[in-house]
Amino acid sequence: EVQLVESGGGLVRPGESLRLSCAASGFTFYNYGMNWVRQAPGTGLEWVSTISDSGGRTYYADSVKGRFTISRDNSKNTLYLQMNNLRAEDTAVYYCAKGKYYQDEESPFHIWGQGTVVTVSS
Amino acid sequence: DIQMTQSPSSLSASVGDRVTITCRASHDIAKYLAWFQQKPGRAPKLLIYTASTLESGVPSRFSGSGSGTDFTLTISSLQPEDIATYYCQKYSSALWTFGQGTKVEFK
Repeated sequence: EVQLVESGGGLVRPGESLRLSCAASGFTFYNYGMNWVRQAPGTGLEWVSTISDSGGRTYYADSVKGRFTISRDNSKNTLYLQMNNLRAEDTAVYYCAKGKYYQDEESPFHIWGQGTVVTVSS
Repeated sequence: DIQMTQSPSSLSASVGDRVTITCRASHDIAKYLAWFQQKPGRAPKLLIYTASTLESGVPSRFSGSGSGTDFTLTISSLQPEDIATYYCQKYSSALWTFGQGTKVEFK
C-alpha cells in the first residue's frame, strides 16, 4: 500500500525555523516527483514546492521562495521541507503528495499524506 | 502566473441532483487539469486528471471535460458522501496552481 506520513510540525515563533519530513512507503520513491501543499485554517489548498525524482530540479511558490527548501533522500525514502524565517501567514496544515506520473514532476498529485500542523505565533 | 478561477464558490443541491462546477484558467493549459475532493479534516483525494480521465476507484457519476482555459467537473447524481469541497489544479509549466475551491452542501 502506498503511504506517506508527515512529521515535524509544531508551534514556533516568527523568524524561527522548522524542518518537515515525509516518510514514503509502498512505491519506488526515487522514480516519482514529490510535492508539498499547505492549507491555512479555513482556506483552500496552496501549492508550496515540488521536487523531481532525482532531486535535481526544484520549484517553489513565490510566497515561500528564498525561505523554504525542498529536498529528498532517496536512500531513506524521505522528503523534506526546510522552513526558515517563518511568518504567521505560514500557519497551516502541510501535506506531502506523490506525483502520479513516472519520472515526471509535472504530474497530478496522486497520493497524499495526512498532514502535519505548523503554527507560527508569538 | 496562471490563475485558476472556480465557480461557484459554494452551492446547495439535493440528493440525486446533477451538479456542475467550472474552472477557468487565465491562459491555455491544454488538458493539464486535475480535480480533487476534500472532506473536512481529511487530505484531498484525486478524482480526475488530464481534464477527463477518471482516477481508479472513483465512482462513474463523476466526470470531467474541457481543454484550453475552460473546464467542468460534473456529478451526475449527487450522493450524500459527495458533500465536500472540490478543487481544480493545473500541473504544467512548473506551476501547480489550485483553484479557490467549491463547497458542495445539501439544500
